[in-house]
Amino acid sequence: GENVEQHPSTLSVQEGDSAVIKCTYSDSASNYFPWYKQELGKRPQLIIDIRSNVGEKKDQRIAVTLNKTAKHFSLHITETQPEDSAVYFCAASIGSARQLTFGSGTQLTVLP
Amino acid sequence: NAGVTQTPKFQVLKTGQSMTLQCAQDMNHNSMYWYRQDPGMGLRLIYYSASEGTTDKGEVPNGYNVSRLNKREFSLRLESAAPSQTSVYFCASRSGQELYGYTFGSGTRLTVV
Repeated sequence: GENVEQHPSTLSVQEGDSAVIKCTYSDSASNYFPWYKQELGKRPQLIIDIRSNVGEKKDQRIAVTLNKTAKHFSLHITETQPEDSAVYFCAASIGSARQLTFGSGTQLTVLP
Repeated sequence: NAGVTQTPKFQVLKTGQSMTLQCAQDMNHNSMYWYRQDPGMGLRLIYYSASEGTTDKGEVPNGYNVSRLNKREFSLRLESAAPSQTSVYFCASRSGQELYGYTFGSGTRLTVV
């Protein structure tokens, strides 16, 4: 089955700096790559996603890039703010039911 | 519009007891999923239902059963709870449209003692 690896597991940045989280996937048939943000005690919330026919997507301060050849994708957050502090999960979708395989998560801490 | 509703929010069970986690969605989504979340391990798929009337095993199905009661409801049953099943359980649903993201429920925090 699909395997998704996510790095780093923890990341601390100063407010205003950029943060980058990277994921690799194993199955070249995967074609949908969402990113979720989970605040403490809350449910995961979709923040951005990318399809396999697109190389980059931006939404205000967040962007995702996809390299299908290398089978990796990354989340970029610019001008980080304290409210960006959370656990971020990448995922890859495979199968007719589009079941997601998740990475193990990155705890992002934005220091004021 | 409630989205995905899970009950209960918290539960403590003794080893060997059984219980059913309930999940309902009001978005007319075709696919529904059960995940468990453990520290440092992300979310792991237990079972899923691609459409009403079908269910399939995910990555960690042992010790669980599911029922897709109708299009709205997808329940997860623990027949004989074990301490290893202590976790946070999330239900999610997805539209049948191609390449569309999940909507998650608020989770059930289960402790087995």
